[in-house]
Amino acid sequence: GENVEQHPSTLSVQEGDSAVIKCTYSDSASNYFPWYKQELGKRPQLIIDIRSNVGEKKDQRIAVTLNKTAKHFSLHITETQPEDSAVYFCAASRKGDTGRRALTFGSGTRLQVQP
Amino acid sequence: EAGVAQSPRYKIIEKRQSVAFWCNPISGHATLYWYQQILGQGPKLLIQFQNNGVVDDSQLPKDRFSAERLKGVDSTLKIQPAKLEDSAVYLCASSLKQTGTVNTEAFFGQGTRLTVV
Repeated sequence: GENVEQHPSTLSVQEGDSAVIKCTYSDSASNYFPWYKQELGKRPQLIIDIRSNVGEKKDQRIAVTLNKTAKHFSLHITETQPEDSAVYFCAASRKGDTGRRALTFGSGTRLQVQP
Repeated sequence: EAGVAQSPRYKIIEKRQSVAFWCNPISGHATLYWYQQILGQGPKLLIQFQNNGVVDDSQLPKDRFSAERLKGVDSTLKIQPAKLEDSAVYLCASSLKQTGTVNTEAFFGQGTRLTVV
């Protein structure tokens, strides 16, 4: 099955700096890569996703890049703010026999933005 | 629109007892997932339903865990008997029917935090 590895496990940046979180996946058939943000005690929420037919996607201060050949994808947050502090999870999924398979998640990155 | 509803929010039980969790997905969402999230880890899929059929239960410990979605809407997840290592947050998520090439967002509930003592 799919295996998703995520690094780093913790990341501390100063407000205004950029943050980068990296993930690798093992299943070459995976073609959908979302990123979820989970604040303490709350549910995971989708912040951005990318499909394998594009290499980069941006949404304001957030961007995701995908390298299919190397099987890795990254989340980039620019101009970080204290409210960006949370745990971020990458995930991957592929098409299955009866529809799309469920997401396989990475282990998470705890991002702390220091004011 | 209303989100994914789960209950209870918290549950404390002794090992070897049984427990059940309930999930009500977003109206119209055909796909429902149960994930287990152990502290400090990412969510791990337990079971995926599409309507009332099981799509994937390969990671469900079937000797103690069971799940059903009889009418293709609400779902229950049961653990019997519970072990200490079952302490985790159990997250339910739902999405529109997953077709082969189009992904739709998975929306998560608040989760049920289970503590087994």
